[in-house]
Amino acid sequence: GESVGLHLPTLSVQEGDNSIINCAYSNSASDYFIWYKQESGKGPQFIIDIRSNMDKRQGQRVTVLLNKTVKHLSLQIAATQPGDSAVYFCAETPGIGGYNKLIFGAGTRLAVHP
Amino acid sequence: KAGVTQTPRYLIKTRGQQVTLSCSPISGHRSVSWYQQTPGQGLQFLFEYFSETQRNKGNFPGRFSGRQFSNSRSEMNVSTLELGDSALYLCASSTAGLDYGYTFGSGTRLTVV
Repeated sequence: GESVGLHLPTLSVQEGDNSIINCAYSNSASDYFIWYKQESGKGPQFIIDIRSNMDKRQGQRVTVLLNKTVKHLSLQIAATQPGDSAVYFCAETPGIGGYNKLIFGAGTRLAVHP
Repeated sequence: KAGVTQTPRYLIKTRGQQVTLSCSPISGHRSVSWYQQTPGQGLQFLFEYFSETQRNKGNFPGRFSGRQFSNSRSEMNVSTLELGDSALYLCASSTAGLDYGYTFGSGTRLTVV
């Protein structure tokens, strides 16, 4: 298969803290990156995306940082809430053409404690 | 508007049987992609269809096939089921490309016994 790794790390945070989820991507030719959130029993849900010509993009309570030099992507969640508890996946693709497949990371489980 | 609808939600099949899964994309979306999700291998791309044509295919054996109809609805078929085919099969749709990412359905949970 093409997914990255078998281990699913867990990040535990207190409600109200900021969370940072990291992802190392594999292909230096990747041009487009997406973060997804997957809750139990549901499909992945789009959170935020970033193109390779950017190094930072902000959404509502979320920020994605891209470091192409070291092929690293991170998702920052501000003021983490219990509803943020889920598995988070980064995904990469060479382009935005629909024929391009997404290559997903192994995922990180975020556990938010009250 | 309605999201991506996958049917059935759960399915139990016996080794050697075949199975067909269905996906109805969001209205107006013409691209449908399929992914397999397992605890061991994570999310893996199966194939992508646009206007009834398969444009890309992942590294899965020929037992995995799919098609798309003129109304953009898609089906995937797995023949001669193996225990290792047990997985959550996810369908995702988009207008034409990956902009804004896909919208995923909730998946079909296939268990092969």
